[in-house]
Amino acid sequence: DIQMTQSPSSLSASVGDRVTITCRASQGVSHYLAWFQQKPGKAPKSLIYAASTLQSGVPSKFSGSGSGTDFTLTISSLQPEDFATYYCQQYNAYPYTFGQGTKLEIK
Amino acid sequence: EVQLVQSGAEVKKPGESLKISCKGSGYTFTNYWIGWVRQMPGKGLEWMGIIYPDDSDTRFNPSFQGQVTISVDKSINTAYLQWNSLKASDTAIYYCGRHVTGTTFDYWGQGSLVTVSP
Repeated sequence: DIQMTQSPSSLSASVGDRVTITCRASQGVSHYLAWFQQKPGKAPKSLIYAASTLQSGVPSKFSGSGSGTDFTLTISSLQPEDFATYYCQQYNAYPYTFGQGTKLEIK
Repeated sequence: EVQLVQSGAEVKKPGESLKISCKGSGYTFTNYWIGWVRQMPGKGLEWMGIIYPDDSDTRFNPSFQGQVTISVDKSINTAYLQWNSLKASDTAIYYCGRHVTGTTFDYWGQGSLVTVSP
């Protein structure tokens, strides 16, 4: 299985900050990488697929980049509703696998 | 509007069987895979498998193969996740999601909490 490792596992930031979360794959996944947001007690929400393409309705403050083994999710101008846990997922090879999550907390 | 509506919370005893459901609406059900994801208490997301409603083609995570069954009834736009003999370690929230061919989840169900306790 392809292992997905996110860093950091947790992150404290302030409203208005810009933050970057990193996701590394144990082997190349081309651009087959997605990002999801999950708030406590809620279902995940799809943010980005194909490493950098925003899902419909997702604001442009979210951006993704990368290819191969190294990817980033950047969130600009943090607002209170952005504080959540973020997961990356590769869908290059079965079984599709998620990273362990990055919890973004308010400083 | 695309919607995936899952069945409600369940409390079961070890050894019991269970089938939870995920009903799709607002789109052509047979044109998109349906996937299942497990989230154990306080833990991350685990991809379990996907099924293509049109022909029931299934892709499983080996970690879950043999432990659960994924099925679909396309006549009622509903996918299922089934256990024959539950264990305490099956306690989790299970999410279904619409899985676009060639990509991954775009829409999600609200989750079904399964609690297995003596």
